[in-house]
Parts: sequence; C-alpha cells; structure tokens
Amino acid sequence: DGGITQSPKYLFRKEGQNVTLSCEQNLNHDAMYWYRQDPGQGLRLIYYSQIVNDFQKGDIAEGYSVSREKKESFPLTVTSAQKNPTAFYLCASSIDGVHTGELFFGEGSRLTVL
Amino acid sequence: SQQGEEDPQALSIQEGENATMNCSYKTSINNLQWYRQNSGRGLVHLILIRSNEREKHSGRLRVTLDTSKKSSSLLITASRAADTASYFCATAGSGNTGKLIFGQGTTLQVKP
Repeated sequence: DGGITQSPKYLFRKEGQNVTLSCEQNLNHDAMYWYRQDPGQGLRLIYYSQIVNDFQKGDIAEGYSVSREKKESFPLTVTSAQKNPTAFYLCASSIDGVHTGELFFGEGSRLTVL
Repeated sequence: SQQGEEDPQALSIQEGENATMNCSYKTSINNLQWYRQNSGRGLVHLILIRSNEREKHSGRLRVTLDTSKKSSSLLITASRAADTASYFCATAGSGNTGKLIFGQGTTLQVKP
C-alpha cells in the first residue's frame, strides 16, 4: 500500500545525543515536511522540502537538521542543540511543493529525552 | 505564528448527537482544511474547502466557510463512538508563501 512510513515509533535519547528519525514515502510526492506536536498543541513546521536536494527552514528549525538526497526519503536529525526535544514528530508529504494542498501523514515518532 | 484558533477546545457528546467545531483565522486564505487525529496517531485529511466555496459535504461531514468573518465550522452528524478524536483546522495562506498553518485542535469525545 502507498503511504508514509516513520521509524522508530518510540525513541529514547540521553541528553547531549543526536538522534535521527526516518521518514520514507512511496507516494511519488515531490514535497515532504516535518512537524512537531507538543501535548494539547497544534502542529509546528520544522523543515520542508519541495524537491530533491533542496529544503527550507520552517518556524522552529533551530536544533534540527534534514537532508533530501532521494525523493522518497526525508530524515530528520534532532541535535543536542535542541533545548527541549521531547515531543511527537510527524512527517508528511504532498503531491506538489505549493504547500497548500492535502497533506498525507505518517504515524509519528515519539521522542523522549531521559 | 498561529493562524487558526479552534473552539471549543474539548467537546463531549452522546452517540447519535451532532458535533460542531469552529475555526477562526486572521489573514486571507487560499483554502482551509480539516484533519482528524486519533490518539497517538498521525493526522488524516478530511476535507478541503477553497476560499471561493461556502459549503462542502463529505459523508457525515459538513464544512462551511465564511471568509467575511474569517471562520469555518465542521459539523459531524449522527456521531459515533469511533468519531472520538482530535480535529484540527489548517489554513493555507494566499500569496506565494502559502504555508499550511494548524490550529490547536478540538478534542471530541463521543460516549456510547
């Protein structure tokens, strides 16, 4: 089935460690996005990529990094510079890079800093 | 910057009743979308309404858009226990940036 796969579903990290969250899509979508969700909150945009080998900062990019070497993959690294990384991370994709159309989401990765 | 604001924050109803959620926004939009999120899961797209549309239906869902009041509502008719979830509106701003901005959501509980 076509869709977006995020892994791992749960991840625990010690302070000072970098962690990488995986996001893979087989929908042949051009654009991919990373959002952060805190309890009881809406989604905040971290990074987005409208095309391979290009990506843009969202509203809360500090402490995060991404790459887009392949159309189907958009991994997110949470670095030690991110002050409060414990959150639910959601990856999404859309057919084009206009960022106004329907988003397709993965099931999320929950990161907990110990 | 948060564009959409939803109310109520939480809603509890009995199965069979209708549920209405509202979303207000501040700037002009290209479209407004509603998403559903079951606890601990990803979001699922429900419906998109463009700025030149006033009402849209999809199954038991009815969405209205009033651009003069900068507001939208989502009505779920004849609710079921399986409709229990959080519902988010997301606005796509007009203009070149056109980023999709999510509200904080309404948590709906439907009691059997």
